[in-house]
Amino acid sequence: GESVGLHLPTLSVQEGDNSIINCAYSNSASDYFIWYKQESGKGPQFIIDIRSNMDKRQGQRVTVLLNKTVKHLSLQIAATQPGDSAVYFCAERAQGGSEKLVFGKGTKLTVNP
Amino acid sequence: ETGVTQTPRHLVMGMTNKKSLKCEQHLGHNAMYWYKQSAKKPLELMFVYNFKEQTENNSVPSRFSPECPNSSHLFLHLHTLQPEDSALYLCASSQGSGTGEGGYTFGSGTRLTVV
Repeated sequence: GESVGLHLPTLSVQEGDNSIINCAYSNSASDYFIWYKQESGKGPQFIIDIRSNMDKRQGQRVTVLLNKTVKHLSLQIAATQPGDSAVYFCAERAQGGSEKLVFGKGTKLTVNP
Repeated sequence: ETGVTQTPRHLVMGMTNKKSLKCEQHLGHNAMYWYKQSAKKPLELMFVYNFKEQTENNSVPSRFSPECPNSSHLFLHLHTLQPEDSALYLCASSQGSGTGEGGYTFGSGTRLTVV
């Protein structure tokens, strides 16, 4: 079975609100995590990453939080905009030098105007 | 444009046809991947190539045949497919150095419909 999953398949927010998308993983040996965004008709696009030696990383309007104790990853989007509507995937890489990523099912974010 | 180009964008084929999907990357990456994306399922890894050598075949049926002539090009040859093979086929590339910083760069995919 998959080792990476998401708590909610869909999330609907109002424009301007903050969004939080969650992900649970089961492989404690994973050392690197990535969030991807996939818009309709496009391939997944890298948003932000975090290594296992960190618990928080910030980008432009996005923050990723990593809680290794409970094996939980979250993506926070500040001031969500209609252009943020997409499917968001988390992915993990197991430690050991391989670049193989395991993906979760994805959460569809809908931003209402 | 992500630097990974997939053609065609859409493909409709009969179950007796033979077709090929093409992927090209201009990022200087050494690893390339084929993924299958079906509705409501996680991305399914199909094949991995590192420095032109196949390093992983994720129990993919033989009606899917990959080819990697060089580090920049990846093909997926299709023959006698089934309707359940209809999906979005995504190509991705990565540095191949083992550090994996930045993860994969994906193409836009080929939407395949088998009739």
